[in-house]
Amino acid sequence: DIQMTQFPSTLSASVGDTITITCRASQSIGPWLAWYQQKPGKAPKLLIFKASNLEIGVPSRFSGSGSGTQFTLTISSLQPDDVATYYCQQYDSFSTFGGGTKVEIK
Amino acid sequence: QITLKESGPTLVKPTQTLTLTCDFSGFSLSSSGEGVGWIRQPPGKALEWLALIYWDDDRRYSPSLRSRLTVTKDTSKNQVVLTMTNMDPVDTATYYCAHSPYWHFDLWGRGTLVTVSS
Repeated sequence: DIQMTQFPSTLSASVGDTITITCRASQSIGPWLAWYQQKPGKAPKLLIFKASNLEIGVPSRFSGSGSGTQFTLTISSLQPDDVATYYCQQYDSFSTFGGGTKVEIK
Repeated sequence: QITLKESGPTLVKPTQTLTLTCDFSGFSLSSSGEGVGWIRQPPGKALEWLALIYWDDDRRYSPSLRSRLTVTKDTSKNQVVLTMTNMDPVDTATYYCAHSPYWHFDLWGRGTLVTVSS
C-alpha cells in the first residue's frame, strides 16, 4: 500500500502570509495527487487534482506542485476563510489520503 | 448540477452488516467516465477511501477492507449501495459518497454518521 505523509500536522500563520503544506508518498505516484479542504462539520472540497490542476471555482491563491513522491500545496495571501484542515490524496494505486494539516490564523 | 446524498442507519450493532445508499443526480452512471466513491472519516480523524464503482461496473476496494465491502449500482434509480459486513466499534465514522471523474472526488455528499455500539 502507498502511504501518504503530510506535514506539518498543524500550521499557524497570519492573514496575508504564504503557507506551504507538503505531502510525501512512500513510492512514486507520478502526478496522481489531489488536495482537499475540509471545514469543521463539512464535507471535503476538491481544490487541486493531478498535482497542479486548479478545480473550477477555487481561488487562484491556491496552487499545487510536485510529482513522483513529493508534492506541495501553497496558499498565497492566507485569508480567514482558509481556516480548515487540508488533505492530500494519492490515486496512482488505489487511493490513500494523508493525515491532514490543520491551518489556523494567528 | 451534481448532488449526492447518503442515507442509512445511524446506529448498528457489532457484527451486523451496514448498508448505505448514495442517491445522486446531475450525472448518469451509465455514461462513460462516471464513477462514485465511498470515503469515511472517524470522529476527529483523517479520511479513509473505501470503494469506487465506475460506469462500466469496474469496482475497486481498499485492500485492507476488501473482504468486508461490496459496492453496487442501480443506474435506473441513480443509486449506489455500499455494504460493509461484520461492523465493529472502530468502524464508527461519517461515511461519504462522492462523484469521481477519475479516482479523485470532485463533489461530495454531506455524509452520514454511523455509530457502531451494542
